[in-house]
Amino acid sequence: NAGVTQTPKFQVLKTGQSMTLQCAQDMNHEYMSWYRQDPGMGLRLIHYSVGAGITDQGEVPNGYNVSRSTTEDFPLRLLSAAPSQTSVYFCASTDSLSYEQYFGPGTRLTVT
Amino acid sequence: AQRVTQPEKLLSVFKGAPVELKCNYSYSGSPELFWYVQYSRQRLQLLLRHISRESIKGFTADLNKGETSFHLKKPFAQEEDSAMYYCALSGGGTYKYIFGTGTRLKVLA
Repeated sequence: NAGVTQTPKFQVLKTGQSMTLQCAQDMNHEYMSWYRQDPGMGLRLIHYSVGAGITDQGEVPNGYNVSRSTTEDFPLRLLSAAPSQTSVYFCASTDSLSYEQYFGPGTRLTVT
Repeated sequence: AQRVTQPEKLLSVFKGAPVELKCNYSYSGSPELFWYVQYSRQRLQLLLRHISRESIKGFTADLNKGETSFHLKKPFAQEEDSAMYYCALSGGGTYKYIFGTGTRLKVLA
């Protein structure tokens, strides 16, 4: 099993550009999440999904969109990148029996 | 408000010394409590959860409902314990997590 995979590992964007961060899992988990990790602020939930076709907002959703067309994939879209979105982004999926979260390796995004 | 508080941003201890990373939570219900660890250049991974009451890599954590705390402890720190530690809770019946701001543990030789 690959677990949770994320691409790209690194990305530099100019202000106003858009892009999609990819996330996939092969554990058949229904629940998936996107977080951003910033120094001194821990992990903050951006969006989450409880299954294909169902998504909802987390703590810091502004500027981001998600969709969940399959159980495996949960892409995160930045609509118009801003310097405040410079961060490390983690995707995670959750085992519904143990509640354990499995994290991807992260995407380090810089917006100039 | 639902919240996880880790009061220490950085904790430095010498090798062989005891370690305690503090975690307090605020939640109106019965949450699941977890500790996650992120070693340098690695992804976050589960260290332990309160419901299993197990000891991983010598770490233990006891849930104190009266003080709403879930402190992480290890009697003798090792250099390989140096990492970022996050306390987290998941609300009963949901899979949404709330993470603390994290504590960086540095174990000095």
